[in-house]
Amino acid sequence: GQNIDQPTEMTATEGAIVQINCTYQTSGFNGLFWYQQHAGEAPTFLSYNVLDGLEEKGRFSSFLSRSKGYSYLLLKELQMKDSASYLCAVCSNDYKLSFGAGTTVTVRA
Amino acid sequence: IAGITQAPTSQILAAGRRMTLRCTQDMRHNAMYWYRQDLGLGLRLIHYSNTAGTTGKGEVPDGYSVSRANTDDFPLTLASAVPSQTSVYFCASSEREHNEQFFGPGTRLTVL
Repeated sequence: GQNIDQPTEMTATEGAIVQINCTYQTSGFNGLFWYQQHAGEAPTFLSYNVLDGLEEKGRFSSFLSRSKGYSYLLLKELQMKDSASYLCAVCSNDYKLSFGAGTTVTVRA
Repeated sequence: IAGITQAPTSQILAAGRRMTLRCTQDMRHNAMYWYRQDLGLGLRLIHYSNTAGTTGKGEVPDGYSVSRANTDDFPLTLASAVPSQTSVYFCASSEREHNEQFFGPGTRLTVL
């Protein structure tokens, strides 16, 4: 089975940086996904890491350490529209995704 | 417009009734999935299909059934709804089972 932990809530100021951590214990690993979900909407894909290191995509970056069972999503130059839930999901050996409960990020002016 | 659609958008259902949630994608994706999302629990996989004609059980399959007669459609059926099945249901698809998943807009189901 999978055990995926991420903080429930985070608050940051517009223009700031926020780092959302995700730790996982898994019986197999085929990559880690981050999704963004605005309230009342569907999740949308942000990033995918399968090798250790940092993947940068504009204002968003994602990091993975397989040996530590750890990932983070870094949101830079925060904008009001970044207020959303951020879901960490681990892909197991059978290629199924297990999701964390999500981190709700609130961006304040 | 390419994408994934779900119907109905929302539904209130009496306990014991049968209900089918519809999901259609036009991206020719091989894999499709059904999740339920409950507050504090995140998305949990109900059933999946890696390709047309095959289906598999996810983390919480009890009380649900699926079929995959063709590539585009993946309906989810609740044979006899119970209040614990009140949730938001998301359908998703991916080109292959290890690729990023694209989610439909969701169906909000309330079982009374």
